[in-house]
Amino acid sequence: QKEVEQNSGPLSVPEGAIASLNCTYSDRGSQSFFWYRQYSGKSPELIMSIYSNGDKEDGRFTAQLNKASQYVSLLIRDSQPSDSATYLCAVRDSSASKIIFGSGTRLSIRP
Amino acid sequence: DVKVTQSSRYLVKRTGEKVFLECVQDMDHENMFWYRQDPGLGLRLIYFSYDVKMKEKGDIPEGYSVSREKKERFSLILESASTNQTSMYLCASSPPQEVGGYTFGSGTRLTVV
Repeated sequence: QKEVEQNSGPLSVPEGAIASLNCTYSDRGSQSFFWYRQYSGKSPELIMSIYSNGDKEDGRFTAQLNKASQYVSLLIRDSQPSDSATYLCAVRDSSASKIIFGSGTRLSIRP
Repeated sequence: DVKVTQSSRYLVKRTGEKVFLECVQDMDHENMFWYRQDPGLGLRLIYFSYDVKMKEKGDIPEGYSVSREKKERFSLILESASTNQTSMYLCASSPPQEVGGYTFGSGTRLTVV
């Protein structure tokens, strides 16, 4: 059973600080990795995709990938109260055209 | 932007009823998926489809069936609704390439009483 593991949180970060969210995965052949943000009562929204080792930056968000360690992370700089949500890590299954989701980390930004 | 539309935002049905959840996408995507999401259990894949009239079982297909008669529409059917099928149901679509994430619909919160 291929798995994506995340700490469920809640992770509490002061406003303006860096929030760091982490994820490990079991499928060594995976090539595509995603972060989704989900507000309470809403559906997941894709915020970052990353396909190669290293960092990928988009505004205040940076995704980091280390395939050797099977580790993906998301950094949110200058955290805002509107960043309070559950963040889902997702990994494309290397043997099937589907994505495996982690159970999510709940992030709370305190003013 | 890809749009995935789920027909109902909230639905209340009685035990034993046959329930249809509809999902339509407007970007000509081949792949479509149905998930349910429950607190503490995350997203669980029910069924998916790679093309018209094709379907594949996900992780929890029991008690559900699907229909894909047209490329843009993927329906989830609860043959005889039960209270343990009370959940948030999410439809998603994606292009056929082996890259790219899913686009989700806004979800249907189903309550079975």
